[in-house]
Amino acid sequence: ETGVTQTPRHLVMGMTNKKSLKCEQHLGHNAMYWYKQSAKKPLELMFVYNFKEQTENNSVPSRFSPECPNSSHLFLHLHTLQPEDSALYLCASSQDLGQVHQPQHFGDGTRLSIL
Amino acid sequence: QKEVEQNSGPLSVPEGAIASLNCTYSDRVSQSFFWYRQYSGKSPELIMSIYSNGDKEDGRFTAQLNKASQYVSLLIRDSQPSDSATYLCAVNLSGGSYIPTFGRGTSLIVHP
Repeated sequence: ETGVTQTPRHLVMGMTNKKSLKCEQHLGHNAMYWYKQSAKKPLELMFVYNFKEQTENNSVPSRFSPECPNSSHLFLHLHTLQPEDSALYLCASSQDLGQVHQPQHFGDGTRLSIL
Repeated sequence: QKEVEQNSGPLSVPEGAIASLNCTYSDRVSQSFFWYRQYSGKSPELIMSIYSNGDKEDGRFTAQLNKASQYVSLLIRDSQPSDSATYLCAVNLSGGSYIPTFGRGTSLIVHP
């Protein structure tokens, strides 16, 4: 139990579907992150929120839309995805972006498959 | 471009041996360094953090940091097959916000 919970664990969707990934952290952290991890590739940072404000968008296509209603919850809304979007999507949290010595805590991820 | 470099491996060691994993980084003023272990299909798990030059030991794990040479390493003593995983190096590079930069990871295989 890492204190970061992601749902669903697995998701299969067609290219025309709309779905959302959810992340919740119980660690009292103020920074939350979305990462994409494809097979044989390094972690790709997608979005960062600090105190509910988006601070990073790493040139992510608009078919991915993040939402952070409060410091404990993070969503990733998906629509019109492509087969190359199939990957493991990881949520992470940390104390806040102003803390230099702060590790990230990861959720178990959502394995996404696009048909 | 600020980077974190790791040899992707695989690094293969016999059970009971010492596994040595290395990571270099480009930003001279980096201050925080982390090692994560990731089993296949699972999420990264923090196993070590180090902030000062020198060695830091935790059980079978030792992290070594040399800021002058810009490298950080992870030693695993008495390697076990259960240590077989990908090890990710992460560095909080300098800047206004401390967002870690991850290396590609090194695959470690410990064979009986």
